[in-house]
Amino acid sequence: IAGITQAPTSQILAAGRRMTLRCTQDMRHNAMYWYRQDLGLGLRLIHYSNTAGTTGKGEVPDGYSVSRANTDDFPLTLASAVPSQTSVYFCASSVGKGQQYNEQFFGPGTRLTVL
Amino acid sequence: QKEVEQDPGPLSVPEGAIVSLNCTYSNSAFQYFMWYRQYSRKGPELLMYTYSSGNKEDGRFTAQVDKSSKYISLFIRDSQPSDSATYLCAMSALSFGRGGGGNKLTFGTGTQLKVEL
Repeated sequence: IAGITQAPTSQILAAGRRMTLRCTQDMRHNAMYWYRQDLGLGLRLIHYSNTAGTTGKGEVPDGYSVSRANTDDFPLTLASAVPSQTSVYFCASSVGKGQQYNEQFFGPGTRLTVL
Repeated sequence: QKEVEQDPGPLSVPEGAIVSLNCTYSNSAFQYFMWYRQYSRKGPELLMYTYSSGNKEDGRFTAQVDKSSKYISLFIRDSQPSDSATYLCAMSALSFGRGGGGNKLTFGTGTQLKVEL
């Protein structure tokens, strides 16, 4: 069972370039999330998706876009990367049913450096 | 003021020590309280979660929630070098959608723990 896979593992990117971070889960979870993790700031939610075909903005959505064409995939796109987007990016998923809490499972992360 | 405050450490203890990790929060709507463990260059993994106030024990780990004080704790007994990691507290209110869906988690900044031989 792979769980959540993310690609690439790491990337160095020139400012102004477009970049898509990939996330795939094989647990048939309804909800998926993108977080960024920065020293001193912790994990912050960028975008989320409750189910395929729907997305929503999190705490820090500016400069990022997402799509959810199917259950398994949730790519995150930086249209024109800036140095402040240098971070470690984590994708997560949860069952996403009902009003109760569902555990969020995290992927291994993508380390992105924007120069 | 951040919604969730967590002492970043680093915290260094000898093997076998009892470790106490803490978070405070300001949002009284939080109902679910979690502790995640994150090893270096890995994704966070759920260690324990509790609903509302009270204690929960799992092996060497005990989670406590005091909603009246808006304070949560994680205790690690007989700490081991393998416990060396960053511990993140996280909290959640209701799910995003009325019909269900994902949960919005608010994380602390994490406490780095090192257990030395």
